[in-house]
Amino acid sequence: EVQLVQSGAEVKKPGESLKISCKGSGYSFNTYFIVWVRQMPGKGLEWMGIIYPYDSDTRYSPSFQGQVAISVDKSISTAYLQWSSLKASDSAVYYCLRRSDGGYYFDYWGQGTQVTVAS
Amino acid sequence: QSVLTQPPSASGTPGQRVTISCSGSSSSIGSNTVSWYQRLPGTAPKLLIYSNNQRPSGVPDRLSGSKSGTSASLAISGLQSEDEADYYCAAWDDRLNGWVFGGGTKLTVL
Repeated sequence: EVQLVQSGAEVKKPGESLKISCKGSGYSFNTYFIVWVRQMPGKGLEWMGIIYPYDSDTRYSPSFQGQVAISVDKSISTAYLQWSSLKASDSAVYYCLRRSDGGYYFDYWGQGTQVTVAS
Repeated sequence: QSVLTQPPSASGTPGQRVTISCSGSSSSIGSNTVSWYQRLPGTAPKLLIYSNNQRPSGVPDRLSGSKSGTSASLAISGLQSEDEADYYCAAWDDRLNGWVFGGGTKLTVL
């Protein structure tokens, strides 16, 4: 069974760093793109970036370029989303998604990670 | 404001047919296929429709998708209480060179 399991909810202060994770199982992790999306309170979904685990090739949405870092550890089939200095406006739910093989849609989603940034 | 426009809410009674719309642009829906996702309370979102009107295995045929021009629709017939969820549309956008999503529609089964 294909699964994407994300790390648990986080509560952080402005200026702190954070790394959340997304562990894939039940499939060949290296050969499927992983996408991260953000959902701010009461808002829609926003595409943040995409990574290909096989070679770590990464691309960011212009809205998130320089604001976050996406990485992967193939040895443990895990993708990451990282902030070096959180802002209150980073408070949101973050989802990792598996892009389908050959299609521009997402066949599996993680359960989401709630990030709360407050002083 | 989301790039794809969905109604914030929809409702119907058991057995009814409900349609959820998703409006985009020439660079998104007008040029690329649409997918639909369902998020039940407390669960990970699930793929319902891909390539405008294709259902993954396990998705009942009372759910269907369509696309015309720069708009798409998700139809749910024979509405059931278990259909009460949030629904999202998505498409690739050639101008933005990335994916765009709808704001989501909360479906209530009365």
